[in-house]
Amino acid sequence: GAGVSQTPSNKVTEKGKYVELRCDPISGHTALYWYRQSLGQGPEFLIYFQGTGAADDSGLPNDRFFAVRPEGSVSTLKIQRTERGDSAVYLCASSSLGLAGGPRNEQFFGPGTRLTVL
Amino acid sequence: GNSVTQMEGPVTLSEEAFLTINCTYTATGYPSLFWYVQYPGEGLQLLLKATKADDKGSNKGFEATYRKETTSFHLEKGSVQVSDSAVYFCALSDNTAARKLTFGKGITLSVRP
Repeated sequence: GAGVSQTPSNKVTEKGKYVELRCDPISGHTALYWYRQSLGQGPEFLIYFQGTGAADDSGLPNDRFFAVRPEGSVSTLKIQRTERGDSAVYLCASSSLGLAGGPRNEQFFGPGTRLTVL
Repeated sequence: GNSVTQMEGPVTLSEEAFLTINCTYTATGYPSLFWYVQYPGEGLQLLLKATKADDKGSNKGFEATYRKETTSFHLEKGSVQVSDSAVYFCALSDNTAARKLTFGKGITLSVRP
């Protein structure tokens, strides 16, 4: 079946511009995560959705970052007034529900969007 | 907070050599532990996992044992292949509702024929 998809695969923008990154999770997965991976580092958690609501946004670095998931499926990560330090690969992951009602341990990752801020 | 420390890389081995990649962690409670792999040009894939102390995860000839007493989850393979060349990430998930992952920096493995 189809995996997690992310668009665009690459995005180049200028400092100060607004960008939107899209994630389409595996069908039926209610848990969705965004991570950011800087060069030479492991991915860092940004935000977690359970259904439509952001259940944990403790990893968002500041108020320029915002994410939505209005229908509990596709999610969009929005970055306002981009800065050069925002350049990174943005990863999306999804997982299904476990027996206890929370997400399963295994997260399935998309290919990422490489964002470059000039 | 939670953290994962991986040995410094990169690592270069000859085919059929023995592989060990060290990973230690700091966490409160009882996290689940993972190894993820990223092959060239591909996304992150789960390689193996262990959810409680003394569990051994295994897949594709790779193994790792959850050692609570040493807070470690070292990855091993008895005989590496060229196709194992990739970036390997150790990670943990806390047992909060989010189960968010904390990753190490990753290590690049290159296997020579």
